[in-house]
Amino acid sequence: DVKVTQSSRYLVKRTGEKVFLECVQDMDHENMFWYRQDPGLGLRLIYFSYDVKMKEKGDIPEGYSVSREKKERFSLILESASTNQTSMYLCASSFQDRVRYGYTFGSGTRLTVV
Amino acid sequence: TQLLEQSPQFLSIQEGENLTVYCNSSSVFSSLQWYRQEPGEGPVLLVTVVTGGEVKKLKRLTFQFGDARKDSSLHITAAQPGDTGLYLCAGAASGGSYIPTFGRGTSLIVHP
Repeated sequence: DVKVTQSSRYLVKRTGEKVFLECVQDMDHENMFWYRQDPGLGLRLIYFSYDVKMKEKGDIPEGYSVSREKKERFSLILESASTNQTSMYLCASSFQDRVRYGYTFGSGTRLTVV
Repeated sequence: TQLLEQSPQFLSIQEGENLTVYCNSSSVFSSLQWYRQEPGEGPVLLVTVVTGGEVKKLKRLTFQFGDARKDSSLHITAAQPGDTGLYLCAGAASGGSYIPTFGRGTSLIVHP
């Protein structure tokens, strides 16, 4: 069964901490994405990557960075966590030339910053 | 600017009722997907529609893509409690973009 695996389901971090969210996919997908999901705001794209070591800013990149050293792994980094980054974080992946087949999402990481 | 408008935002119905969820835009999409997300989980792809006027059926769910490829609908017949969840539409704009735009979702609760 193909999957996208996010390293943690729940995380609680303190303000100012550096936070790493890890995502691994086993489908050989070129594209990988990080979204955050908040009530009433829907899914908002933070960063995406279409190849190893390549990254592009999404709609809300401020306060975040990403790393993609291997094709299967895409990491989201919160350099200095703040309470307004409390959210559900979703990783997704897709084939680059078969967008119509949609995304495969991970189960999400619910991050609370206190 | 939200390019995909979903309606209604919330829906609470009794088991056995029928319902329709709408996804509308002023933009043309090369394809449109519907996802269902259960509480505490990531969205799961239900269907992709790519041809204007296309109708796809998945058991009790019927998906339709508008003739002009600007809108879509999801119809559920005889809803069951297991249909409860957040339904999201997502469209890939014409022109080759591989970054879909997501609607904000319709939250459905089906009461037994």
